[in-house]
Amino acid sequence: QSALTQPASVSGSPGQSITISCTGTSSDVGTYNYVSWYQQHPGKAPKLMIYEVSNRPSGVSSRFSGSKSGNTASLTISGLQAEDEADYYCSSYTSSSIVVFGGGTKLTVL
Amino acid sequence: QVQLQESGPGLVKPSQTLSLTCTVSGASVSSGDYYWSWIRQHPGKGLEWIGFIHNSEYTYYNPSLKSRLIISADTSRNLFSLKLTSVTAADTAVYYCARGRYDLGDLHYFDYWGQGIRVTVSS
Repeated sequence: QSALTQPASVSGSPGQSITISCTGTSSDVGTYNYVSWYQQHPGKAPKLMIYEVSNRPSGVSSRFSGSKSGNTASLTISGLQAEDEADYYCSSYTSSSIVVFGGGTKLTVL
Repeated sequence: QVQLQESGPGLVKPSQTLSLTCTVSGASVSSGDYYWSWIRQHPGKGLEWIGFIHNSEYTYYNPSLKSRLIISADTSRNLFSLKLTSVTAADTAVYYCARGRYDLGDLHYFDYWGQGIRVTVSS
């Protein structure tokens, strides 16, 4: 069982917006603003999409945004495109000085 | 441009030692600015952080693997390595090396990843 809880799957139509949640505890997401999100296409390495809750690395589309409230972080993708179909993982630093990941969410673009 | 490349055997026998290397270009493993990390992904599953090496000598491991794990660095060849002893089928996974960014000692995120190497533990 993963330390952070994500929905197994979400879906949306092109142009729509979707949000993926990532629920942790007061020992990780709730305390630290060190939540990051990764996109993984089949057979590929994860790619950093959001770091420190809401920051986008250079080159990542502004359609991707992150936020946090309490013990839950969220990734929102607006204006869904076919290329966004992938697995998404959240990650957080913890009070045990380790990094934990969520179990991943499969995004399907209908 | 930063690039990381894993290498090593794709098949390891149970009870033996899994040894992988990550060759880095575009950045220095001796730099104190990063945590050079290993992460694995079991088949069809999520990601698991394994551990990191910093400044070529300081290491920090996931407690779940600590008793079997050694991460080291070779600054002359700009690479870092993972050794996992007494492997079982549960260690079958894709292993990634990645560059970790940190501040005030806390590991924040991984900004560059290798392509991953699939390792199967089987006799």
